[in-house]
Amino acid sequence: DQQVKQNSPSLSVQEGRISILNCDYTNSMFDYFLWYKKYPAEGPTFLISISSIKDKNEDGRFTVFLNKSAKHLSLHIVPSQPGDSAVYFCAASPYSGAGSYQLTFGKGTKLSVIP
Amino acid sequence: EAGVAQSPRYKIIEKRQSVAFWCNPISGHATLYWYQQILGQGPKLLIQFQNNGVVDDSQLPKDRFSAERLKGVDSTLKIQPAKLEDSAVYLCASVVQNEQFFGPGTRLTVL
Repeated sequence: DQQVKQNSPSLSVQEGRISILNCDYTNSMFDYFLWYKKYPAEGPTFLISISSIKDKNEDGRFTVFLNKSAKHLSLHIVPSQPGDSAVYFCAASPYSGAGSYQLTFGKGTKLSVIP
Repeated sequence: EAGVAQSPRYKIIEKRQSVAFWCNPISGHATLYWYQQILGQGPKLLIQFQNNGVVDDSQLPKDRFSAERLKGVDSTLKIQPAKLEDSAVYLCASVVQNEQFFGPGTRLTVL
């Protein structure tokens, strides 16, 4: 039973264009959502997050959109750069306050940005 | 600030052997997690520690996996005996202010 789904295993985008990575979730208890980026032989690194009280959060070239009614979130990268090539994981948690929380991860989407 | 350290980085063993992984979290981080990431999957939580106490180990296969965090700092994860399906990357993460910092992981191959 996959509670966080990333249905696109891979995505190729030209440098300078927009990359859109999608994520769907099924658990209504999730109220905090995160994106992680992972390079080969390294651990995931935090990229951006959004609480369920918001529908958009922006940080430089990265924007995350949340549609609670559709249980869908997306990560937009504009403009895409070759250094963005990595595996991107969507993660969700039922707890958005400070302190400990447990993440459920999707399977990841491998983004390739072509120079 | 130093990151989360893990060792060894790679380990190859035969099935039914034992193996142990070590994690040193970021200084002062009270919460520590162990995850298992099988190839092609996202990380899956195995166990959560708060200081030296276990908060949640409901997804840890306790017949073969064990973990401890003595003194609330370093942690070890052990598998005994290992099975072929335990081949995965084992990730350790520590938490501060809603952000989980991951170590580089230990890649385990069970032959």
